[in-house]
Amino acid sequence: EIVMTQSPATLSVSPGEGATLSCRASQSVSSNLAWYQQKPGQAPRLLFYGASTRATGFPARFSGSGSGTEFTLTISSLQSEDFAVYYCQQYSSWPPAFGQGTRLEIK
Amino acid sequence: EVQLLESGGGFIQPGGSLRLSCAASGFTFSNYPLSWVRQAPGKGLEWVSGISARGDNTYHADSVKGRFSISRDNSKNTLYLQMNSLRAEDTAIYYCAKPHLGSGYYCFDYWGQGTLVTVSS
Repeated sequence: EIVMTQSPATLSVSPGEGATLSCRASQSVSSNLAWYQQKPGQAPRLLFYGASTRATGFPARFSGSGSGTEFTLTISSLQSEDFAVYYCQQYSSWPPAFGQGTRLEIK
Repeated sequence: EVQLLESGGGFIQPGGSLRLSCAASGFTFSNYPLSWVRQAPGKGLEWVSGISARGDNTYHADSVKGRFSISRDNSKNTLYLQMNSLRAEDTAIYYCAKPHLGSGYYCFDYWGQGTLVTVSS
């Protein structure tokens, strides 16, 4: 089974600054990597698929990159609505696996 | 508009059974595989079970294999999760999830609002 590891667990950033979240797979998942955003009391929301294709409804300040085992989610100029928990997930092989999440909080 | 509406959660004692339902609308239900994903209180996401579009193939995480069973009724646009021999560690919000077209079974572009299952004596 593929294990997904996210870092850091918590990231404190001031509004207007940028943030970089990392995700590592224990073996290659090619580009079969998704990112989700989850806000308190809400279901997760697909943010990226194919590692770098932004899902509908998210602005261009969000970008995704990487392939193989190393992936990055970058958010430039953080807005108040961006503070949430972000999960990566591999869907390359069964069983699908999520990272433990990175909590992006206001500094 | 795609909608997924879970129901059937509640409070149940260890060893008990519960059946969750997910009513779907806004897409051609019978064309899509579907999954259940859960989230324990304050914890991360865990894929639980998946089923093919026609319902002839099912898949379960090791943590629930032999205790949970996923099924679907394409005539009713409804997904089910039968949960038996429930344990305290099954306590979670259970989401049904639809995959993104073109991304296989397990990249989820729509999620329900979830239904809470609490297993406790």
